[in-house]
Amino acid sequence: GEDVEQSLFLSVREGDSSVINCTYTDSSSTYLYWYKQEPGAGLQLLTYIFSNMDMKQDQRLTVLLNKKDKHLSLRIADTQTGDSAIYFCAEADFGNEKLTFGTGTRLTIIP
Amino acid sequence: EPEVTQTPSHQVTQMGQEVILRCVPISNHLYFYWYRQILGQKVEFLVSFYNNEISEKSEIFDDQFSVERPDGSNFTLKIRSTKLEDSAMYFCATAGYGYTFGSGTRLTVV
Repeated sequence: GEDVEQSLFLSVREGDSSVINCTYTDSSSTYLYWYKQEPGAGLQLLTYIFSNMDMKQDQRLTVLLNKKDKHLSLRIADTQTGDSAIYFCAEADFGNEKLTFGTGTRLTIIP
Repeated sequence: EPEVTQTPSHQVTQMGQEVILRCVPISNHLYFYWYRQILGQKVEFLVSFYNNEISEKSEIFDDQFSVERPDGSNFTLKIRSTKLEDSAMYFCATAGYGYTFGSGTRLTVV
């Protein structure tokens, strides 16, 4: 079955850039998402990218996709304390198909 | 902005009891889902629902689980006889043009 992997922890100094990485196994993944989860809260969609794209930028967020290596990354520029959360990548074959989530990366901001 | 609403936000139930978790989807969405997240773990797919029937379910979604859309608006997840290991956050999601998650129901089985 599909598998999505992420490193569990990332610590970054405030003001630096954070890069969260994700690898997936399903070669038919068409939609790739990044979700943010703050403590005790739900899942907030941050951004998404289609598999025919290499990059997508949205304000402080940049998503890079290497389809050949099945590698997805999320870069957060000028990381702030409010960015502290768990970040999940997720993939789906089609827009309305089930999502397969990664293990989540806990981002900690160092003052 | 349209929201997916889940109730209750937190439910405590005794082992063996039945629970019903409720979700009000976004009105023009046609695809409905339930996911769960055991504390500290990844979000796992349970079931998808389209055109008034289950379109896909995971191995987690056994005979103890059921879903329905009883009145054409609410979308419910029923667990017939809860077990301790059912304790988790349950998320409803709906999809039309894009996926939207509810804020979740935290189920605690004691």
